[in-house]
Amino acid sequence: GENVEQHPSTLSVQEGDSAVIKCTYSDSASNYFPWYKQELGKGPQLIIDIRSNVGEKKDQRIAVTLNKTAKHFSLHITETQPEDSAVYFCAASLGFNKFYFGSGTKLNVKP
Amino acid sequence: DVKVTQSSRYLVKRTGEKVFLECVQDMDHENMFWYRQDPGLGLRLIYFSYDVKMKEKGDIPEGYSVSREKKERFSLILESASTNQTSMYLCASSSETANYGYTFGSGTRLTVV
Repeated sequence: GENVEQHPSTLSVQEGDSAVIKCTYSDSASNYFPWYKQELGKGPQLIIDIRSNVGEKKDQRIAVTLNKTAKHFSLHITETQPEDSAVYFCAASLGFNKFYFGSGTKLNVKP
Repeated sequence: DVKVTQSSRYLVKRTGEKVFLECVQDMDHENMFWYRQDPGLGLRLIYFSYDVKMKEKGDIPEGYSVSREKKERFSLILESASTNQTSMYLCASSSETANYGYTFGSGTRLTVV
């Protein structure tokens, strides 16, 4: 099955700096790559996703890039704010079934 | 607002008890999933279902079973709870016809003592 690795496990940045979280996947058939944000005491929420026919997608301060050849994708958060502090998970799937998740990155944005 | 609702936020159960975790979604999604979340291990798939009365084992099904009698409801059952099943349990749903991935519930934090 698919194997998704995520790095780093923890990331601390100063408010206003950028944050980058990286994931690799093993199954070249995977074609959908969502990113989830989990705040304390809540379930994960979808923040951005990308499909395999696209190399980059942006939504305000958040962007995701995908390199299919290298089988890796990354989340970029610019101008970080304290409310960005959370655990972020990447995932890979074929279609919308059975996602395989990374182990998570705890992002701490220091004011 | 679309929702996946998990019946309990916190549960404390004794070793050996039979435990039921309930999940209900109001989006008419075909697919439903149960994950457990543990620090450093991310989200691990326990069981999933693509249709009513259908179930498939995920990566860590041992010690668990599921029931899906109605499309909107997916129950996770711990047949005989053990301390190593202390965890956060997350339910999710998805649809092949929707244009997005999972919608998660808020989670149930289960402690087995």
